[in-house]
Amino acid sequence: EAQVTQNPRYLITVTGKKLTVTCSQNMNHEYMSWYRQDPGLGLRQIYYSMNVEVTDKGDVPEGYKVSRKEKRNFPLILESPSPNQTSLYFCASQFDGTTEAFFGQGTRLTVV
Amino acid sequence: ILNVEQSPQSLHVQEGDSTNFTCSFPSSNFYALHWYRWETAKSPEALFVMTLNGDEKKKGRISATLNTKEGYSYLYIKGSQPEDSATYLCAPLGSNYKLTFGKGTLLTVNP
Repeated sequence: EAQVTQNPRYLITVTGKKLTVTCSQNMNHEYMSWYRQDPGLGLRQIYYSMNVEVTDKGDVPEGYKVSRKEKRNFPLILESPSPNQTSLYFCASQFDGTTEAFFGQGTRLTVV
Repeated sequence: ILNVEQSPQSLHVQEGDSTNFTCSFPSSNFYALHWYRWETAKSPEALFVMTLNGDEKKKGRISATLNTKEGYSYLYIKGSQPEDSATYLCAPLGSNYKLTFGKGTLLTVNP
């Protein structure tokens, strides 16, 4: 079954404690991206990657890092989380930018 | 940051009504326009991706049109049903091959 898998689904952490949210896709897609969803602000892109070892900043990259060492995985890293990074996060993958995106189940992160 | 406007922000219709909403985006540096349907507590799901001016796409009772010269797209739902209740998102693919989502139109269909 074609899918995008994010883990964990829910996470509560403390300010400053490094964390990683994993994202994996089994569709051999080249384009992957991370979004955060906040009330009233819609989905905002954090980072995207058009292929292995190629990553670019989205609209809200501050405080986040990503890596794309293999095609299937695109982890999101928060080196020093802060309360303003409390949000709902989605990973998505697509063959390229002109094809439909498949979204993961979402990760609800709370930073206290 | 690309300016993407969706209107209206929210919409209440009765079951059986037909409805439509708009997505406006900058017409320069345009590559594609995506539409997604997002139900509460779920993940967004793709409806259409359109690339050419004048494109029209249809999936069941839902259809969409695209005008790249003036920078807008319409989404139409014919004979709305309660299960159509969701937020409808559009996202143009612009320069740097980056997708930018609008804030969405929240549709509520009353039985």
